[in-house]
Amino acid sequence: EDQVTQSPEALRLQEGESSSLNCSYTVSGLRGLFWYRQDPGKGPEFLFTLYSAGEEKEKERLKATLTKKESFLHITAPKPEDSATYLCAVRDSGGYQKVTFGTGTKLQVIP
Amino acid sequence: EAGVTQFPSHSVIEKGQTVTLRCDPISGHDNLYWYRRVMGKEIKFLLHFVKESKQDESGMPNNRFLAERTGGTYSTLKVQPAELEDSGVYFCASSSATVVYEQYFGPGTRLTVT
Repeated sequence: EDQVTQSPEALRLQEGESSSLNCSYTVSGLRGLFWYRQDPGKGPEFLFTLYSAGEEKEKERLKATLTKKESFLHITAPKPEDSATYLCAVRDSGGYQKVTFGTGTKLQVIP
Repeated sequence: EAGVTQFPSHSVIEKGQTVTLRCDPISGHDNLYWYRRVMGKEIKFLLHFVKESKQDESGMPNNRFLAERTGGTYSTLKVQPAELEDSGVYFCASSSATVVYEQYFGPGTRLTVT
């Protein structure tokens, strides 16, 4: 069974203080690793898809990287508007589209 | 372009009652998914439609849950009879046939069973 573990559970940063969120996964044949952002009372918002080890994707202050066992979401010089819960999910090599989510990292960026 | 919409946003029912949740995907999206998040746990997959057909319903917890997708457009998820452990947030997501992996989520329906 696919498993996704995210750490830390919560992270508090000062504005401008860069950091990284971790997503460790166990999956039978990775077909995709996804990062989502979720704001309170809203559904997850798609950020990135990574498919193979060594791949990197960037969007504004966010950069996602992937190894064979984990993914990192690097946040450079965060702003208060980056405060949200960041979710990691994986899809395995089975024939279906379902994804397995982690429990997320709740990020708070303080001005 | 309108996003994924869900109705109602919140439902409070008593144990044993029936509730029907509705999801309207992004227009033109063939793929529709239902997920659930119970308190303190991760979001879990329930099922996946391709147009009007159930592609994967391996995450459905039991036969008290029935999902339908009429004509390949909107979908409903009925819980009958509801139990206390069914409480949680039910999310719907959709994706296109060409960019399958980019799933767009709705705001969710918070279901409380008392």
